[in-house]
Amino acid sequence: QVQLQESGPGLVKPSETLSLTCTVSGGSVSSGTYYWSWIRQPPGKGLEWIGYIYYRGSTKYNPSLKSRVTISVDTSKNQFSLKLTSVTAADTAAYYCARDNLDAATGFDYWGQGTLVTVSS
Amino acid sequence: QSVLTQPPSASGTPGQRVTISCSGSSSNIGNNYVYWYHQLPGTAPKLLIYRNNQRPSGVPDRFSGSKSGTSASLAISGLRSEDEADYYCAAWDDSLSGRVFGGGTKLTVL
Repeated sequence: QVQLQESGPGLVKPSETLSLTCTVSGGSVSSGTYYWSWIRQPPGKGLEWIGYIYYRGSTKYNPSLKSRVTISVDTSKNQFSLKLTSVTAADTAAYYCARDNLDAATGFDYWGQGTLVTVSS
Repeated sequence: QSVLTQPPSASGTPGQRVTISCSGSSSNIGNNYVYWYHQLPGTAPKLLIYRNNQRPSGVPDRFSGSKSGTSASLAISGLRSEDEADYYCAAWDDSLSGRVFGGGTKLTVL
C-alpha cells in the first residue's frame, strides 16, 4: 500500500520560505509512471494545484505560483519537496502531497494526510 | 475564483439521488478527462471518479460520473448519511498547462 507523509514547519514568518517534504513508502518516486504533486487548501476554501515533478526532474507549476515555487525530488530518500518563497498570510493552508498518474489518467490516487502551514509573525 | 464552476451546496434525504454539476470550458473539461474527489472534514481528499466515469476499486457503484461537452456531473444514488462531505471536480487545463479544480460542493444529508 502506497503511503505519503508530509513533514515540515507548521509556522512560517511572512517573507520567508516555506519548505515541506513528502516521504513516499510502499512505492518509488523513481517509477516512470507517476507525477508527484503538491496541492494546497486554505482554511475553509477549495483545492489549489501547486505543481508536480517527474522522477527525472521535469516540473510543471501553477502559473499563479510559478515565480515562487520549486519542487524537487530526492530519489535516494524516496522523497520530494516543495519550496515556496516570499510567503504571505494568503499562503496559510493545508498542504497535501499526492501521486498523479497523468499518462494513465487515473488522477490523484494517493494523498498524504496533509500538514497545516500558518504564515504569521 | 476557480477555473471549474460547481454549486457551493447540495442536499438530499437518505435514499435519494443527488447530482452535482461541474462546468468548464473547451480547454479543460471539453478536451480532457474529469475527476471527482470527496473530502470528509479534517481529512485528505479521496479519489471517487477518474476518466469521467470510472470508479477506483472500493468505491460503491452508488457513485457515477458523466461528461457532456464542457460540463460534467457526479450522481450519488441511495444517499447515505456518510456521504455528507465536500465534493470537488478536477481536470487538466490545456491553456494553463496544469491541473484545475472546482470550488467544491458541500453535500448535506438532511
